[in-house]
Amino acid sequence: AQSVAQPEDQVNVAEGNPLTVKCTYSVSGNPYLFWYVQYPNRGLQFLLKYITGDNLVKGSYGFEAEFNKSQTSFHLKKPSALVSDSALYFCAVRDEDSSYKLIFGSGTRLLVRP
Amino acid sequence: DAMVIQNPRYQVTQFGKPVTLSCSQTLNHNVMYWYQQKSSQAPKLLFHYYDKDFNNEADTPDNFQSRRPNTSFCFLDIRSPGLGDAAMYLCATSRDRGAPYEQYFGPGTRLTVT
Repeated sequence: AQSVAQPEDQVNVAEGNPLTVKCTYSVSGNPYLFWYVQYPNRGLQFLLKYITGDNLVKGSYGFEAEFNKSQTSFHLKKPSALVSDSALYFCAVRDEDSSYKLIFGSGTRLLVRP
Repeated sequence: DAMVIQNPRYQVTQFGKPVTLSCSQTLNHNVMYWYQQKSSQAPKLLFHYYDKDFNNEADTPDNFQSRRPNTSFCFLDIRSPGLGDAAMYLCATSRDRGAPYEQYFGPGTRLTVT
């Protein structure tokens, strides 16, 4: 069965340090992967996606993600965290059976301390 | 800027009293989605419209209905809200269904049921 796992409920990092939010996936075919961010009492904002091509995907707000097929991972990264990056992050994969659907991970709360 | 707009942002209704949530978009996207999100969990897809074609998820209660009178607008009707329907309701759009198309979310409507 298809799935997305975000193994960390929360990630804590100091401002200025690099951050990584982990995501692993399980699909039978080629994965189509997305990252979204959600600020308090707001909708989800699209950050970046992997469809095909380069394994390193660059997105909004200085975020990037590395697609690793052998490890079935799509970790979100940023070289230097900002306090304003503190939010809830969701990884998602396109449902292979119902292509209009996204299968979301459980979310990871990122807390960047000053 | 092109965007997805949801009104109202906060809605309080009484147990059993019908309520309608509104979504509009200026992106001219073909697909509009409604999600339910509880307590920072992953959003749960309720249904979507592909143009005028309505697609209900199998586990969406009959209490939830939707209308899309034109490309720009989509409504979520909750016929008899229960306490368990208190949640954030998110509207999203995408240009088309399928792999490469990311979804764009509105800010959400937080529904309280008293």
